[in-house]
Amino acid sequence: DSGVTQTPKHLITATGQRVTLRCSPRSGDLSVYWYQQSLDQGLQFLIQYYNGEERAKGNILERFSAQQFPDLHSELNLSSLELGDSALYFCASSVGQGAMNTEAFFGQGTRLTVV
Amino acid sequence: AQTVTQSQPEMSVQEAETVTLSCTYDTSESNYYLFWYKQPPSRQMILVIRQEAYKQQNATENRFSVNFQKAAKSFSLKISDSQLGDTAMYFCALQGAQKLVFGQGTRLTINP
Repeated sequence: DSGVTQTPKHLITATGQRVTLRCSPRSGDLSVYWYQQSLDQGLQFLIQYYNGEERAKGNILERFSAQQFPDLHSELNLSSLELGDSALYFCASSVGQGAMNTEAFFGQGTRLTVV
Repeated sequence: AQTVTQSQPEMSVQEAETVTLSCTYDTSESNYYLFWYKQPPSRQMILVIRQEAYKQQNATENRFSVNFQKAAKSFSLKISDSQLGDTAMYFCALQGAQKLVFGQGTRLTINP
């Protein structure tokens, strides 16, 4: 158990809908990262937050947004869903940010299926 | 920009053999970390080994070791005495000042 909790584990929804994925980082970790992994693909970096502030952005679609709350949990919002958004969405957390990090700990992922 | 490239989409070896997975990267930063993560069929991401860029000594964790060539921006993973449980996707990753970026992965199969 990495200590990072993602909910829900599985989500099935229809095209055009909006969903929210939730991530609770390890106790004491200030950074949260979000990744998208499509079938048999690598991990695409979406966005990173550090202590409530956005610190880095990857190839995140405008239909997607995220935030990190004062209690450090994070939510990834996906709207106007398309079939191509079906993927495994990972959250990871770490103590610091950038090159201060020695390791990022990953949650189990949320499997999103858009039908 | 940071990029990580894994040129071997798939590899397959016999149990107990030694296998080396390749990774090259590009970054303009001088201070960074490199990682190898393993993703078994359960899809959980598991850290295998880490390397600080400022350390010349190659990291080792039991059967896993790296060959870090900073000037060539190369970071390969060697698995010795491979076991059936090593079957997984392996991802090389680069942690810079801002982002943690992953390669596309190498699917490793250990055959009995």
